[in-house]
Amino acid sequence: EVQLVESGGVVVQPGGSLRLSCAASGFTFDDYTMHWVRQAPGKGLEWVSLISWDGGSTYYADSVKGRFTISRDNSKNSLYLQMNSLRTEDTALYYCAKATGASSGLIDYWGQGTLVTVSS
Amino acid sequence: DIQMTQSPSSLSASVGDRVTITCRASQGISNYLAWFQQKPGKAPKSLIYAASSLQSGVPSKFSGSGSGTDFTLTISSLQPEDFATYYCQQYNSYHITFGQGTRLEIK
Repeated sequence: EVQLVESGGVVVQPGGSLRLSCAASGFTFDDYTMHWVRQAPGKGLEWVSLISWDGGSTYYADSVKGRFTISRDNSKNSLYLQMNSLRTEDTALYYCAKATGASSGLIDYWGQGTLVTVSS
Repeated sequence: DIQMTQSPSSLSASVGDRVTITCRASQGISNYLAWFQQKPGKAPKSLIYAASSLQSGVPSKFSGSGSGTDFTLTISSLQPEDFATYYCQQYNSYHITFGQGTRLEIK
């Protein structure tokens, strides 16, 4: 059974930094592209970033480019999101999501999310 | 980036009804279109991929169609568990984008 468990969400001040983690199990982690998707309170889904199976390709939404960095450690079956220069508009539930292939934008499984609150 | 526009934003229907949600892409995306269902307090669930293919375990009451820029999700014989928010998502580009969501409510 595919399981994705996010962690690291906390309350942080504007301008601060935070690192989210996602522990994956139930599938061969290094065979798949992985995504981060966020959802602000009461709002819709917003794609944040993706990383290819080997970490060689990464893509970001314009809203986070230059501030967030996605990475993965295939030896630990883990996905990360380093978030710098945080803004109040980054407040959201952050989901880790698995893609359907090594270089795929299609998502098939989601974690339960970790809440990031940016507030002074 | 490719913009995805869903209509309507909200929809009221009764148990047993059939409803259709529309998703329009700002440029052609072939059939690289997925649909997700999200219930309050829960993670999204994948329903359809490649515009019309059902994910494993999804009942056949859900169906999708379309290609290019215009797509639809149809849900037949609505049951109480179907009332949720539905999102389309394009994956033609690595800069994937979601529609704004359609909230399906009980009338």
